[in-house]
Amino acid sequence: GAVVSQHPSRVICKSGTSVKIECRSLDFQATTMFWYRQFPKKSLMLMATSNEGSKATYEQGVEKDKFLINHASLTLSTLTVTSAHPEDSSFYICSARALDRVASMEAYTFGSGTRLTVV
Amino acid sequence: GQNIDQPTEMTATEGAIVQINCTYQTSGFNGLFWYQQHAGEAPTFLSYNVLDGLEEKGRFSSFLSRSKGYSYLLLKELQMKDSASYLCAVLDSNYQLIWGAGTKLIIKP
Repeated sequence: GAVVSQHPSRVICKSGTSVKIECRSLDFQATTMFWYRQFPKKSLMLMATSNEGSKATYEQGVEKDKFLINHASLTLSTLTVTSAHPEDSSFYICSARALDRVASMEAYTFGSGTRLTVV
Repeated sequence: GQNIDQPTEMTATEGAIVQINCTYQTSGFNGLFWYQQHAGEAPTFLSYNVLDGLEEKGRFSSFLSRSKGYSYLLLKELQMKDSASYLCAVLDSNYQLIWGAGTKLIIKP
């Protein structure tokens, strides 16, 4: 099945620095990538949707200048948390949308997640 | 507005059967997903329903009634490893996934 590789799995950074999270679709082309944030014991919160070759669409309340998303190719999307602060500490998960031609449904495959801790 | 409701927490016994319900009110409907999420890990796909009825996959089954805006996930022969959160998500008319808050399932020996 479709696999999305997300790196790093865990990162600790100092307040004020930037962190880049990568998601790669390994055996399919991901035309759309979703970026989620999940706080402890809470559900997934969609941050932004990115389509290959175009600017990302951010959800209300998400600062686009702070969370930079690049989706330059059909197999790679990146999320950069700029000038990170302790309140940005969270679990960040990407999800790629691929067309499942066999099942005639759109399949959503998740990366393994990145645990970000800002100290 | 769009809303998905599922119980916050459920407890069941190893070897038993448990049903996790999900009701939804969304702008349009293009399918309903169930995901399993263990603590500290990303969600993993369990099932997808777009037509009314029951879809069976091993120990797990998922049911959908579009007229009632209702789905359930049925887990049989519960194992300790089934302890996890179960997330219900609906694909709306814009093909956006709307997520429920998840149901934490606790399995006791």
